[in-house]
Amino acid sequence: GNSVTQMEGPVTLSEEAFLTINCTYTATGYPSLFWYVQYPGEGLQLLLKATKADDKGSNKGFEATYRKETTSFHLEKGSVQVSDSAVYFCALTAPKAAGNKLTFGGGTRVLVKP
Amino acid sequence: NAGVTQTPKFQVLKTGQSMTLQCAQDMNHNSMYWYRQDPGMGLRLIYYSASEGTTDKGEVPNGYNVSRLNKREFSLRLESAAPSQTSVYFCASSGLVTEAFFGQGTRLTVV
Repeated sequence: GNSVTQMEGPVTLSEEAFLTINCTYTATGYPSLFWYVQYPGEGLQLLLKATKADDKGSNKGFEATYRKETTSFHLEKGSVQVSDSAVYFCALTAPKAAGNKLTFGGGTRVLVKP
Repeated sequence: NAGVTQTPKFQVLKTGQSMTLQCAQDMNHNSMYWYRQDPGMGLRLIYYSASEGTTDKGEVPNGYNVSRLNKREFSLRLESAAPSQTSVYFCASSGLVTEAFFGQGTRLTVV
């Protein structure tokens, strides 16, 4: 079946530090890949996505590149802010999956200190 | 601009009690989902509805039932709540080519 593995947290950083959250996946074919973010007390919201190999998704200073050869979709941000403190989820939808179901990783909590 | 609306936001149940979690979306999406979120386990799919009139089991359906009442509404029912169902529940919806949009969540505690 499909699965997503991401690094466990929490990740604690100082403001303006570089952030990387690793994500690897297992799926048949060419899944679409997503990063969702969950701020405290809120639901998940889409941060970025990529739908084919070598695509780069980007938003709010975050980037992730769809690497088919390493089955990875690592999230990066060059200079984090306190407001980036949240839980980040890597996810995929398998091609032709009924209902576009999302498969999630376990989530990585990020804490940015001033 | 409501998006996905879930009710209630918080609920405490006694073991054996029943309840229904309500979800409605105003984006004309075909697909709707119920997930549960537990620490360290990410979100796991309970049930989904690919289109109005259809429902299917996800990864963890035991102890739950769902109803796709119409295109807008998708409810989740716990017939006899158990402590293992203590969790945060999220409803989501998606269109054919759009990403999933999530509700704010329902924090359920079963004592």
